[in-house]
Amino acid sequence: GAVVSQHPSWVICKSGTSVKIECRSLDFQATTMFWYRQFPKQSLMLMATSNEGSKATYEQGVEKDKFLINHASLTLSTLTVTSAHPEDSSFYICSARDPARDTQYFGPGTRLTVL
Amino acid sequence: GDSVTQMEGPVTLSEEAFLTINCTYTATGYPSLFWYVQYPGEGLQLLLKATKADDKGSNKGFEATYRKETTSFHLEKGSVQVSDSAVYFCALVSGGYNKLIFGAGTRLAVHP
Repeated sequence: GAVVSQHPSWVICKSGTSVKIECRSLDFQATTMFWYRQFPKQSLMLMATSNEGSKATYEQGVEKDKFLINHASLTLSTLTVTSAHPEDSSFYICSARDPARDTQYFGPGTRLTVL
Repeated sequence: GDSVTQMEGPVTLSEEAFLTINCTYTATGYPSLFWYVQYPGEGLQLLLKATKADDKGSNKGFEATYRKETTSFHLEKGSVQVSDSAVYFCALVSGGYNKLIFGAGTRLAVHP
């Protein structure tokens, strides 16, 4: 199946710093990528939809100034958690939609811990 | 709005037992339906999908049939293995936005 990578796989940072997470589609071009957040033993919560070359669409309740999303190319989207706080600690997962197969493929996730 | 309901877990089975995880959905239009699996500490992997009524998705011994009349997409496997222990998510995509809507997930634990 298609491969989507995320980097880093885990990160620990101090409160008040910013953290950037990358999501790449390795073998297809993704016009649309999605960012999710998952709390322990819970389902995925969609944060935003990222379309290449345009502004991301955020779900209700997600602060766009807090979670900056950039989709600079057809194979790369980034999520930057700005001024991170301990409550931002979570598992962040991206997905990329392969239009040829009409299917979303998920990255392995990034575990963020804010001290 | 569109939604997915899964049976609550955890589901605990012995190796080689038969597995069913129920999934029903509510959607306007004709959604595509998916099962994703998440192994401990990992992201989601697509397990199988079906895009129209009566389609059967299958992979790695798992099967699910798109039943429009009962709005269901139950996951089945005839003989589970310890390595199948994971969380299984039922999901749908409908409309023009390609957003996946997930069920709450069902944790499966298979013991020898």
